[in-house]
Amino acid sequence: SQQGEEDPQALSIQEGENATMNCSYKTSINNLQWYRQNSGRGLVHLILIRSNEREKHSGRLRVTLDTSKKSSSLLITASRAADTASYFCATVFFGNEKLTFGTGTRLTIIP
Amino acid sequence: NAGVTQTPKFRVLKTGQSMTLLCAQDMNHEYMYWYRQDPGMGLRLIHYSVGEGTTAKGEVPDGYNVSRLKKQNFLLGLESAAPSQTSVYFCASSYPRQRGGQETQYFGPGTRLLVL
Repeated sequence: SQQGEEDPQALSIQEGENATMNCSYKTSINNLQWYRQNSGRGLVHLILIRSNEREKHSGRLRVTLDTSKKSSSLLITASRAADTASYFCATVFFGNEKLTFGTGTRLTIIP
Repeated sequence: NAGVTQTPKFRVLKTGQSMTLLCAQDMNHEYMYWYRQDPGMGLRLIHYSVGEGTTAKGEVPDGYNVSRLKKQNFLLGLESAAPSQTSVYFCASSYPRQRGGQETQYFGPGTRLLVL
């Protein structure tokens, strides 16, 4: 399977702290995307980073990509209770329109 | 815009029964996908379609069939349900890469299926 792996599987932090989660993958990618899933809901796209990019920002989100290590990280700064959700990385491989999802990180923000 | 909608939201089936899950999108997307989500497994692609009248197998297609008769609809069928098909099913849609889209997928709210 080419499925990515998120680390950690679960993370609990205090509100206001920063949360970092990591994603590793196995083969060369065209782009990598992060999605959020609130409990009982569908996935929502957060950010996309292409293979020729190293860092992207969107509001309180910062994503980095290291293609030499085949890994990415998602940083959520100044966390809020509403950030409690599962976060998934998904990769798009060259010549392939399909997303391959990782197993997710369950983030809990403690008020 | 409603985005991506799925019908039904929840269904209980007995082993051997059949059913069809309906996905509809109003964003004029050409690509549509069906995934299943199981605990600890992430999302796995069942079938997908790159346009009206076309379908293709994904990672876990066995036991499922699909049809894309209209651009806005993508149907997932279970001909003879099995307990192993108990899962949450998500539909998604996207623009193809050559349209200049970012390959972002837009997801529906999901259908919870329990097969007894």
